[in-house]
Amino acid sequence: AQSVTQLDSHVSVSEGTPVLLRCNYSSSYSPSLFWYVQHPNKGLQLLLKYTSAATLVKGINGFEAEFKKSETSFHLTKPSAHMSDAAVYFCVVSLLNDYKLSFGAGTTVTVRA
Amino acid sequence: DTEVTQTPKHLVMGMTNKKSLKCEQHMGHRAMYWYKQKAKKPPELMFVYSYEKLSINESVPSRFSPECPNSSLLNLHLHALQPEDSALYLCASSHGQGSYEQYFGPGTRLTVT
Repeated sequence: AQSVTQLDSHVSVSEGTPVLLRCNYSSSYSPSLFWYVQHPNKGLQLLLKYTSAATLVKGINGFEAEFKKSETSFHLTKPSAHMSDAAVYFCVVSLLNDYKLSFGAGTTVTVRA
Repeated sequence: DTEVTQTPKHLVMGMTNKKSLKCEQHMGHRAMYWYKQKAKKPPELMFVYSYEKLSINESVPSRFSPECPNSSLLNLHLHALQPEDSALYLCASSHGQGSYEQYFGPGTRLTVT
């Protein structure tokens, strides 16, 4: 079985400052890891995914995430926040032979002008 | 084209009505999904179709009836719903399971009166 813990339910940053969203996972096997973003009243958009290649994964809109197996973490970062980054971010885990995704509870990001 | 489309965007229905939600993708994906999302929560899996056959039913009440007429289309038929069924219903698709990312549609906002 696998599970996902997003360590912050809410993160508030000023525009132009770095963003860090923390995610820890537990899994019996080598998982695939994803970050999705959901803007208000929209569907989920894939930001990036890790599938056992490079541990530093670059995604869309300047986001990147680092897979650390020893820490079972997959934290998401962006060097400079933009107002359009205000949204809910989900860390997601899936196993090799499974259609089901395990979602974290989500982190709401607000960006102050 | 990495788009999943859903219609309608909004739906208001009474508890005795019958309505259908529609989902379409043209990415050649062979797996399609229905999720239910309540406010401020992650999506919850309802159904998975793989190669047009129902693969997973997450113990969803029979008032929700999925249908996959062909590899590009997915329907969710609704009948005798309850007010607590009001939610955002998301459709998704993927090439397969595990490391394959799921692409989500914009959702249908359902209100049951």
